[in-house]
Amino acid sequence: DAGITQSPRHKVTETGTPVTLRCHQTENHRYMYWYRQDPGHGLRLIHYSYGVKDTDKGEVSDGYSVSRSKTEDFLLTLESATSSQTSVYFCASGGDRVNEQYFGPGTRLTVT
Amino acid sequence: GENVEQHPSTLSVQEGDSAVIKCTYSDSASNYFPWYKQELGKRPQLIIDIRSNVGEKKDQRIAVTLNKTAKHFSLHITETQPEDSAVYFCAASRNDYKLSFGAGTTVTVRA
Repeated sequence: DAGITQSPRHKVTETGTPVTLRCHQTENHRYMYWYRQDPGHGLRLIHYSYGVKDTDKGEVSDGYSVSRSKTEDFLLTLESATSSQTSVYFCASGGDRVNEQYFGPGTRLTVT
Repeated sequence: GENVEQHPSTLSVQEGDSAVIKCTYSDSASNYFPWYKQELGKRPQLIIDIRSNVGEKKDQRIAVTLNKTAKHFSLHITETQPEDSAVYFCAASRNDYKLSFGAGTTVTVRA
């Protein structure tokens, strides 16, 4: 569990403000992912990265952007937060064993 | 894209009984099927996975079966214990490093 961390763990912000969530992994994993978890929807992929500066959209990418300047860090940005983005956000990372993913502890974001 | 359906959404079992959760998937090219367990307030944790070249896999009290023809796979937990109470998620994937998750099953083990 110590191999992947997220910050902050909790955040309350107002509608219209920008928010950045950070994911940090020490496993030297190539792949990193951002998911959101909402009741009744399981885990939905927002964006993922397959290498430094290489990212792609997931199924719920609208309103989110990502950046990966180093192998160990993957940032998720909400440019202008909306109440519909209130959720629990999980980061995950995975190595060369195809599709195996390990999750961070999560960030609970509330947009008021 | 891949669509994964998971049933039931809630499951209550008596301690010591078995629990079975079933998932179906839509993409016949999917070849990797992991199961995650998420305790309240914690992160999802990988508990077992199966790849399409295998029909069944066991790890102590948990097992997963895969039927590629019918495009469904199942998680079996035997001799359930209170610590098995959690939300369980199935997922499916092609060789594209992305997972599609089911909506989850809340399992409650009654003492």
